[in-house]
Formats: sequence, structure tokens, C-alpha cells
Amino acid sequence: KNQVEQSPQSLIILEGKNCTLQCNYTVSPFSNLRWYKQDTGRGPVSLTIMTFSENTKSNGRYTATLDADTKQSSLHITASQLSDSASYICVVSEWGSGTYKYIFGTGTRLKVLA
Amino acid sequence: GAVVSQHPSWVICKSGTSVKIECRSLDFQATTMFWYRQFPKQSLMLMATSNEGSKATYEQGVEKDKFLINHASLTLSTLTVTSAHPEDSSFYICSAGTVPRYEQYFGPGTRLTVT
Repeated sequence: KNQVEQSPQSLIILEGKNCTLQCNYTVSPFSNLRWYKQDTGRGPVSLTIMTFSENTKSNGRYTATLDADTKQSSLHITASQLSDSASYICVVSEWGSGTYKYIFGTGTRLKVLA
Repeated sequence: GAVVSQHPSWVICKSGTSVKIECRSLDFQATTMFWYRQFPKQSLMLMATSNEGSKATYEQGVEKDKFLINHASLTLSTLTVTSAHPEDSSFYICSAGTVPRYEQYFGPGTRLTVT
């Protein structure tokens, strides 16, 4: 069964600290992996997208890594800010029968404290 | 670029009435639109996928007669919740995508409360 698991479920850090969120998946055939940031009461916003051949992608203070062999991805947030408080969702796409299917992780809720 | 809007952003309706939610891609043509619902502290759950000009494909367990989806043009899709009940109260999010780029852009969501 295609699954995407994220850890930790929730995380509290102090402003200015770094943190790393994890995403493990069993999706096959793999097409791409995306990280989204979702503020409370808002739709998700894309942070990074990586295909099979890419093992790292940065977007400002956000850096995502992908290990397609172990089927793991991580999202590293550097020098966290209060505005980073949100849910971070890992989404893995599979391609089959001429269409994409998107498998959502359950998300990691990050709280950044002053 | 790649902006998706939803209207309304929130709506309160009485049980038994129908509610229509619009999803628009403002600066691109979306060949595919997706509708999700999200309960508090949970991830998004895909309800249905629609391609312009064809019938929507519903996920297992989603009643197509209750959640009517129309994808009339490459920039507009609508979700109508018919005969709404309190258990339909949720956060509904649409996304729009283009094939074969495989990216999908999410709308800001619509909060539905059924009293």
C-alpha cells in the first residue's frame, strides 16, 4: 500500500533554532516529492519539489533532501522565525495509467516560540 | 503566477440547504482540478479529481450525488454540497494542476459550517 509517513507529529522550537522534519514513503512508481507549508485556516503553499534524480532543493531558509534509495526525505529549516509556525506536509506523487496520484502525509505541526 | 482562488472563504448554512464553492485558476489554464476536505489537525483528504469537460472521478467513500463537481472551463470548477448536514462541516480546499507538469497549486480554502 502506498503510504507517506511524517515525523515528528508535532514540534516546538525556539526562534532562531534549526529543525529537521522527516518524511518516509513507500509510494511506487515514484514520480516526485513535494513539501508544502500550510498555515492554519489556509491552503498549502509549495516549498520545494524534487524528482527522482534530485537529492536536494533549497528555497530560502528551507532545504529539502531526497534519498530515493531509502525512500526518505527531510525538510530542514534554518534560523527559524515565528512565521514558520505552521503544518508541513510531505506529498509524494506516483505516475500510472496516464495520471498522477498524490499521496499526502499526515503533516508535522511546528510551533516556533519567541 | 499560478494563483488559485476560492469563493467564498467561509460560509454558514442551515442543515438541508445546498452550498456552492467556486475554485478559479486566475493566471493559468488548469486541465485538472482537485477537491479536498480537511478536518481539524488532520491532513488533506482527496474527494475527487475533475478534468475540464468530463465527469469527475470520486474517491472511494465520497458520495457523488452529495458532492456535485462541475469543471465547466479550464479556469473554473465548482463543488456543490447538496442537502448539507452538520457532519459536512469542514475545510474544503481545491487545487489546480496542469499536465504534464504535475504541479498543483492550492486555493486558500473554504470553511463550511452547517448548523
